[in-house]
Amino acid sequence: GAVVSQHPSRVICKSGTSVKIECRSLDFQATTMFWYRQFPKKSLMLMATSNEGSKATYEQGVEKDKFLINHASLTLSTLTVTSAHPEDSSFYICSAKQTGTYSEKLFFGSGTQLSVL
Amino acid sequence: GENVEQHPSTLSVQEGDSAVIKCTYSDSASNYFPWYKQELGKGPQLIIDIRSNVGEKKDQRIAVTLNKTAKHFSLHITETQPEDSAVYFCAAVNTGFQKLVFGTGTRLLVSP
Repeated sequence: GAVVSQHPSRVICKSGTSVKIECRSLDFQATTMFWYRQFPKKSLMLMATSNEGSKATYEQGVEKDKFLINHASLTLSTLTVTSAHPEDSSFYICSAKQTGTYSEKLFFGSGTQLSVL
Repeated sequence: GENVEQHPSTLSVQEGDSAVIKCTYSDSASNYFPWYKQELGKGPQLIIDIRSNVGEKKDQRIAVTLNKTAKHFSLHITETQPEDSAVYFCAAVNTGFQKLVFGTGTRLLVSP
């Protein structure tokens, strides 16, 4: 199956700093990628849809200036948490949809645990 | 928008027993229903999916059924094993809009 690589798997940062998370599709091209946030023992919440070569579409209530998304190539999307605060601590997960197929399948990365001190 | 409810929230079974997880969805336009298994500290892994033109699909010990009229779908795991222990999420999507909506998750514990 298609592989989505997400890095880093875990990051600890100080309050006020920015953190970048990378999501790569390793063996397929992905025009569309998705970013989710997951709190402990909760479901996945869609934050934004990342489209290659265009601006991301953010879900209601998600601050676009806080969570910067860049999808500069068909295999890479990045999420930057700017000026991170303790309330941004969470598990962030990306997923990718394979371009050029009629498949609805989404492939997920392994997630990034962000802890802001 | 779509809303997906999932039950039960926790499920404990003995090894070898069957486990059933049920989901209901609200949007009749949803046409694709995947199930994911998530282990602690990892991303969700697709285990089986079903499209709206199919009523049932099976893959070894795992099966999914879909009732479009009632707008509910279920995951069936037979001959459960301890390594099946994880959190399972159902999801629904209208592929025209692409947004996957997840259920609230079921924590399955299979005891040896």
